[in-house]
Amino acid sequence: ETGVTQTPRHLVMGMTNKKSLKCEQHLGHNAMYWYKQSAKKPLELMFVYSLEERVENNSVPSRFSPECPNSSHLFLHLHTLQPEDSALYLCASSRGVSSYNEQFFGPGTRLTVL
Amino acid sequence: AQSVAQPEDQVNVAEGNPLTVKCTYSVSGNPYLFWYVQYPNRGLQFLLKYITGDNLVKGSYGFEAEFNKSQTSFHLKKPSALVSDSALYFCAVRDYYNTDKLIFGTGTRLQVFP
Repeated sequence: ETGVTQTPRHLVMGMTNKKSLKCEQHLGHNAMYWYKQSAKKPLELMFVYSLEERVENNSVPSRFSPECPNSSHLFLHLHTLQPEDSALYLCASSRGVSSYNEQFFGPGTRLTVL
Repeated sequence: AQSVAQPEDQVNVAEGNPLTVKCTYSVSGNPYLFWYVQYPNRGLQFLLKYITGDNLVKGSYGFEAEFNKSQTSFHLKKPSALVSDSALYFCAVRDYYNTDKLIFGTGTRLQVFP
């Protein structure tokens, strides 16, 4: 196991629902990431946090709202999503945001928006 | 524009035969290159990286990759494939202008047949 856990593993929600994805890393890392993985497309970086400060936001729609209360936990709050938001959402962590450092990924949350 | 190309959606190889998964890149400056593997229902796992130094990089599970600057390639190789190597493989390169970001390819599915 990589030391990065994500809950829930599967989530089905309607477009009017509000839900949250949770990520926890047990590796003592300082940086955490949210990615979106869709079939036949490259991984899309959504958010990057370093020492609980957001350092990257790749023009993600406001219906996705991240929260990083401490260096071990990362949340992705979801509201009024669209069917095209259905995807695998991956959390990752690394020792620092420098690209020298390899990233360790969680198993992902499979999200289906009806 | 910076990019990573994985020209093959799928690679099929018989167990015991050598395997190659191709990756080419286009990036400003010196490239930092990575390979990740994704097994079914799992997140991505780091395999190996090239930052500088020897062009032949050895990684986990017997994989290696060769950095070729003139051909802007970073192909993943293994001398003898195992059925358990069947998975989705991603090549990634550091974004030169946004160094905390990795640019991923679309992935190559490796299928090893017994």
